[in-house]
Amino acid sequence: AQTVTQSQPEMSVQEAETVTLSCTYDTSESNYYLFWYKQPPSRQMILVIRQEAYKQQNATENRFSVNFQKAAKSFSLKISDSQLGDTAMYFCAFISQGAQKLVFGQGTRLTINP
Amino acid sequence: DGGITQSPKYLFRKEGQNVTLSCEQNLNHDAMYWYRQDPGQGLRLIYYSQIVNDFQKGDIAEGYSVSREKKESFPLTVTSAQKNPTAFYLCASSWGQGTGELFFGEGSRLTVL
Repeated sequence: AQTVTQSQPEMSVQEAETVTLSCTYDTSESNYYLFWYKQPPSRQMILVIRQEAYKQQNATENRFSVNFQKAAKSFSLKISDSQLGDTAMYFCAFISQGAQKLVFGQGTRLTINP
Repeated sequence: DGGITQSPKYLFRKEGQNVTLSCEQNLNHDAMYWYRQDPGQGLRLIYYSQIVNDFQKGDIAEGYSVSREKKESFPLTVTSAQKNPTAFYLCASSWGQGTGELFFGEGSRLTVL
């Protein structure tokens, strides 16, 4: 069974700093997708960024980028120039291609301090 | 605007009572999901449905039931058989193509007294 592990339960940085959230996963599949989801204090979960395993290029979305290391099964999220609105729970997630069930990590609570 | 609506946002119930949480989507998504969120445990899948009148158990289905009579609606009933029902419940939907992009509702907080 696939598992997703986020080893940092909580992180805290100052506004404008860069922060990296870690995620590792375990799978025997070769085709899959990885995601970072953000859950702000308002509670509605939104997709931050997505990576297809077959793509070697790391995905980026504005200030958000990932470091995808397929051999190491690592998928970290980097937030550049962090903002107060980045304060949220961040969940790493995995799904095998064609599967229906997304597997989530335990989450990392990120606090951006002014 | 398209989206997912969950109701109620907060719900208090006495032990032994069944409760039903509503989830409606107007995104024309085929697949819908119910997750339970507990501190330190991430999101755990309760039930999911890929098509009307069909649904599958997730990882923690015991004590829960669902129905999918309409594409737009996927209500979750927390029965008295659920041993620890106090939790935050999230409904989500997707196109159902296995690509993993989920759209979430704002959640329902159930507290059993």
